[in-house]
Amino acid sequence: RKEVEQDPGPFNVPEGATVAFNCTYSNSASQSFFWYRQDCRKEPKLLMSVYSSGNEDGRFTAQLNRASQYISLLIRDSKLSDSATYLCVVNGDSGAGSYQLTFGKGTKLSVIP
Amino acid sequence: NAGVTQTPKFRVLKTGQSMTLLCAQDMNHEYMYWYRQDPGMGLRLIHYSVGEGTTAKGEVPDGYNVSRLKKQNFLLGLESAAPSQTSVYFCASSIRTGNVNEQFFGPGTRLTVL
Repeated sequence: RKEVEQDPGPFNVPEGATVAFNCTYSNSASQSFFWYRQDCRKEPKLLMSVYSSGNEDGRFTAQLNRASQYISLLIRDSKLSDSATYLCVVNGDSGAGSYQLTFGKGTKLSVIP
Repeated sequence: NAGVTQTPKFRVLKTGQSMTLLCAQDMNHEYMYWYRQDPGMGLRLIHYSVGEGTTAKGEVPDGYNVSRLKKQNFLLGLESAAPSQTSVYFCASSIRTGNVNEQFFGPGTRLTVL
């Protein structure tokens, strides 16, 4: 089974802190990488895609290291509204498996006042 | 646009009963998926469909059947429910553009099997 591993947390951080989440994946042929956010008792929603060159969206920065099969998410200046579970997601290899996603179990973040 | 909707939102079944979960999307997406999410297990793919009239097995298909008679609908059936099928079920849909595959999820169905 193709695996995506994450630290389950929880990460409890004060408002304004910087927090980093890490993720490793086992399928070296994976082509696409994502971070999804899931609020309590809600559905997952795409937070951002992760590109080889790294990418940033406001306070969020995602990095990919293909050689180490490692993905990271950095959240700067944490807000109370960032409290959620963050899911590391990887697609399959090429062909029939490429549109299937493998989800990590998620890392729970609680931002405290 | 309603996006992805799921019916029902909650359901309690007795062991051995059957039921069908309905997923509908209004985004004209080709691909649709059914997942289950259990505590400590993450999301696991049950079945998926790459187009109207086609379905395929995912990671945990046993005890479930699916049908995709219309492009916008994807049905998940439990023929004889078991307590191990107590879970939150999410439907998702997506298009495919190159290697990008953002999946849009419905709000989920919380199923309890007694």
